[in-house]
Amino acid sequence: GAVVSQHPSWVICKSGTSVKIECRSLDFQATTMFWYRQFPKQSLMLMATSNEGSKATYEQGVEKDKFLINHASLTLSTLTVTSAHPEDSSFYICSARVQGEQPQHFGDGTRLSIL
Amino acid sequence: AQSVTQPDIHITVSEGASLELRCNYSYGATPYLFWYVQSPGQGLQLLLKYFSGDTLVQGIKGFEAEFKRSQSSFNLRKPSVHWSDAAEYFCAVDWNYGGSQGNLIFGKGTKLSVKP
Repeated sequence: GAVVSQHPSWVICKSGTSVKIECRSLDFQATTMFWYRQFPKQSLMLMATSNEGSKATYEQGVEKDKFLINHASLTLSTLTVTSAHPEDSSFYICSARVQGEQPQHFGDGTRLSIL
Repeated sequence: AQSVTQPDIHITVSEGASLELRCNYSYGATPYLFWYVQSPGQGLQLLLKYFSGDTLVQGIKGFEAEFKRSQSSFNLRKPSVHWSDAAEYFCAVDWNYGGSQGNLIFGKGTKLSVKP
């Protein structure tokens, strides 16, 4: 149980395009979803927290206009990297949990490469 | 400030040898404690967690961890390492006790290499 699916697993696109990453909880209702960014050989950095039906809460230094997060249902959250540039290339990982419960369950991540 | 420290960036052990990965946290209160494992290009898999009670917790894949309040530590151990254990290991803590915000803070990770 507690499976989180993230799609796509790898995406390559040209600079200036927008990229959408989906995060789905397959067998539970995720009231809270998290988006992390991981640079090569580094730890995970929390970008934002989203609660279903509410606006996402972004961590300091994360551009909310660049990284659009939507959590419209209890099983789906999306991260859209708008007008992506090479510096946005990274490994993005989502996680999900039922509010008030632990632990977070992680997706397999999305490797984003911007040319 | 709240922080998680994994002092060892890279550890190499021989297959069959024992393993201990260190994790320390700052801040006065006892948080929720987790160990995750990440294979290259993959997401994170939960190995074990500690919320309260018995300070020695058992996890998957033969791992265990011991919480020591006096040392603010939550070290991960395995008595006999297998080649498939080679991966990156992350210690994480949650001081928000599962509240509305995640507040899951990760250590920088320890890369484990296993010699045949």
